[in-house]
Amino acid sequence: DAGVTQTPRHEVAEKGQTIILKCEPVSGHNDLFWYRQTKIQGLELLSYFRSKSLMEDGGAFKDRFKAEMLNSSFSTLKIQPTEPKDSAVYLCASSLGGPDTEVFFGKGTRLTVV
Amino acid sequence: AQSVTQPDARVTVSEGASLQLRCKYSYSGTPYLFWYVQYPRQGLQLLLKYYSGDPVVQGVNGFEAEFIKSNSSFHLRKASVHWSDSAVYFCAVSATNNNAPRFGAGTKLSVKP
Repeated sequence: DAGVTQTPRHEVAEKGQTIILKCEPVSGHNDLFWYRQTKIQGLELLSYFRSKSLMEDGGAFKDRFKAEMLNSSFSTLKIQPTEPKDSAVYLCASSLGGPDTEVFFGKGTRLTVV
Repeated sequence: AQSVTQPDARVTVSEGASLQLRCKYSYSGTPYLFWYVQYPRQGLQLLLKYYSGDPVVQGVNGFEAEFIKSNSSFHLRKASVHWSDSAVYFCAVSATNNNAPRFGAGTKLSVKP
């Protein structure tokens, strides 16, 4: 079975640009998560979807970050406009659903904003 | 919402030594607790999880963790580490059915030969 697929693996953007990161969750999973990973903060929640409905939106990220689930097998994260402080690894993850289920992670997209 | 603190950003141990990585959570109810590991250039992978029953839970590759409710802790342990255990370890907590898991900042483990 394919795991969580994220594209691109690396992205370089100029300050002020709009970038779109893509994610394909594990087939059949109901929950999808976007996290931002930095060395200092660890994993910070950006968005959480269940069956394509937005369940949680990371409060600190609402203004320039927008995640969408276009269908059950594809999600995007748009950052508009990008700022240098957005440089980080963005992780997409999915699970069957429920607080006791294992979360499966993609390898992430490393974003560098210059 | 629930939260997790991993107080040690980096831990270095010698191969064959025992290991404890610390994790404390904050949640008023009964939590679901997890440890994940991230090897270089890999996605996070589940090591073990706990919700109820025996407070000591076994995971893969000889790892175990102990849930201590009175201390709100869920420390990860291993009796004898191998160089291949070098990775970043994340503690996570899930609460209700409508909240995403929350992760700690991670602990980078380096195992010296």
